[in-house]
Amino acid sequence: QKEVEQDPGPLSVPEGAIVSLNCTYSNSAFQYFMWYRQYSRKGPELLMYTYSSGNKEDGRFTAQVDKSSKYISLFIRDSQPSDSATYLCAMTSTGGSYIPTFGRGTSLIVHP
Amino acid sequence: GAVVSQHPSRVICKSGTSVKIECRSLDFQATTMFWYRQFPKKSLMLMATSNEGSKATYEQGVEKDKFLINHASLTLSTLTVTSAHPEDSSFYICSARSTGSFHGYTFGSGTRLTVV
Repeated sequence: QKEVEQDPGPLSVPEGAIVSLNCTYSNSAFQYFMWYRQYSRKGPELLMYTYSSGNKEDGRFTAQVDKSSKYISLFIRDSQPSDSATYLCAMTSTGGSYIPTFGRGTSLIVHP
Repeated sequence: GAVVSQHPSRVICKSGTSVKIECRSLDFQATTMFWYRQFPKKSLMLMATSNEGSKATYEQGVEKDKFLINHASLTLSTLTVTSAHPEDSSFYICSARSTGSFHGYTFGSGTRLTVV
């Protein structure tokens, strides 16, 4: 079992839809949870990060962490074609070098 | 926000030559820098972790003599691919974590290396 599981998709939705992206993990030591967006042939861009459990909202994006279930989600409201990209979840424990563990990414396609 | 500048964005080199990729943190000090390799439609593969002033820690299976990493200052890390071969062709990306409180990792824009 991989430390972080993420469905690669692709996930295809119509413009305006609410998108739900998810990751599960097995390491209970993870404390920081991040979501990155990566366009083709570009470096990943940090969208949001949260510490421990709870929700965090930033514009159309909402990140949720449920540590009891070892499950994290990213919701995108009013999705736009420009949101089409690969979304990677990442997580790390505190201390040490904070080496992150990434999911394999979910490819999202928002069609007009 | 935090910015990491990575150069070059694209490089083509002949087999047997060496290529240097630079990553600079522009507006913050990077305690730790990570170097990744990414194959098409695949996730990031961590190659090595480097801390300023220390030798890099390489992941299992990554040849340290082939992929030389230098992190001489808190704002600059370099990856040199030595004696490059076509199988080294890939997308290489660096990322950095700033000193102090955790605010995520900032990635460079990546370097596409093609060895011919």
